[in-house]
Amino acid sequence: KAGVTQTPRYLIKTRGQQVTLSCSPISGHRSVSWYQQTPGQGLQFLFEYFSETQRNKGNFPGRFSGRQFSNSRSEMNVSTLELGDSALYLCASSLGATGPNEQFFGPGTRLTVL
Amino acid sequence: AQSVTQLDSQVPVFEEAPVELRCNYSSSVSVYLFWYVQYPNQGLQLLLKYLSGSTLVESINGFEAEFNKSQTSFHLRKPSVHISDTAEYFCAVSDRGRDDKIIFGKGTRLHILP
Repeated sequence: KAGVTQTPRYLIKTRGQQVTLSCSPISGHRSVSWYQQTPGQGLQFLFEYFSETQRNKGNFPGRFSGRQFSNSRSEMNVSTLELGDSALYLCASSLGATGPNEQFFGPGTRLTVL
Repeated sequence: AQSVTQLDSQVPVFEEAPVELRCNYSSSVSVYLFWYVQYPNQGLQLLLKYLSGSTLVESINGFEAEFNKSQTSFHLRKPSVHISDTAEYFCAVSDRGRDDKIIFGKGTRLHILP
């Protein structure tokens, strides 16, 4: 079974631009979560999508948004990029059923904002 | 709100020596507990988890963690580390019966010294 894939792996943008990151979950997984990882703040939860609906949301500004498609693939978008948005963005998929769901992480997309 | 504290941001230890990575969480309600490991340039992988039952859980590569409800701790230990254990380790907690959102600690970077 293929793991979680994220594209692109690396991205360089300039301030003010917008960016879209993509995540393909493990086949059969219906939940996709997004995290931002930085050296200073560690791993911070952005949002979770389950069956095309946002189920949980972290404390990030509205510039960060996401969506999930009917095949469970998910995208996240960051508009009006700021230098502080430079980070490793991790996607994780899980079955999404009630109870403890093991999350399977992708390798991440490293975003650099210049 | 639930929170996770990993007291040590970095832990240096000599090869073949024992190690303990500390993790405390804030809420004493019923929880699920996890340790994830992130090797260089990779996403996170589940190392071990506590859901219920025996308070001592083990991983396949020699790590173990003990759930201590009274101290709200879930410390990770290994009796003899190997150079291949060099990685960042994240403790995570999820409240039972709520939104199953997983809260991660800031991580502990384990440095194995030759």
